[in-house]
Amino acid sequence: NAGVMQNPRHLVRRRGQEARLRCSPMKGHSHVYWYRQLPEEGLKFMVYLQKENIIDESGMPKERFSAEFPKEGPSILRIQQVVRGDSAAYFCASSPLASPHKDTQYFGPGTRLTVL
Amino acid sequence: GQQVMQIPQYQHVQEGEDFTTYCNSSTTLSNIQWYKQRPGGHPVFLIQLVKSGEVKKQKRLTFQFGEAKKNSSLHITATQTTDVGTYFCAGLTSGTYKYIFGTGTRLKVLA
Repeated sequence: NAGVMQNPRHLVRRRGQEARLRCSPMKGHSHVYWYRQLPEEGLKFMVYLQKENIIDESGMPKERFSAEFPKEGPSILRIQQVVRGDSAAYFCASSPLASPHKDTQYFGPGTRLTVL
Repeated sequence: GQQVMQIPQYQHVQEGEDFTTYCNSSTTLSNIQWYKQRPGGHPVFLIQLVKSGEVKKQKRLTFQFGEAKKNSSLHITATQTTDVGTYFCAGLTSGTYKYIFGTGTRLKVLA
């Protein structure tokens, strides 16, 4: 039973390029969360998605960032026109139930994004 | 907005000593979770507390949820080198979907 998978594990981009981060939730999980972690800091919530729906994107910057979780395929976090401040570790987590009150989030290994 | 603070930020202990990290929320929480993250790794779920005043134990780890559901603590008895990592609490406010993570406590254990 594979865990949450993220790819790539490391991504290097130059300023102005686009970054696409992929997350495949655990089998049977239909809820995905994305978090950003800056070095030496905690995790900051970005967005919560269910299949084909964005439930809460209050933690995501209004510009340049977008997320989707299509009916088929992985969830994707897209960052357009990256800047150096986007350099961070991006983690996704999945859970099987609709109610976060009742369930654990299982984290993927993360994607370390470096913007040159 | 809601904030979740943890103290201390760093803690160095000798192997065998006890360790405690404290988590304080600016708002009342519906539940709280604790995670451990090893250096270079990803957060791993440890436990969830839901009830006011709840206490749960996992071997050498003891977790408490405050009576007012605004604070929590994690206590490790007789630390081992395998306990090294950063411990995060994450609080959920009723009516929301997102967990707010604490600032974390980085634990180093000296052999």
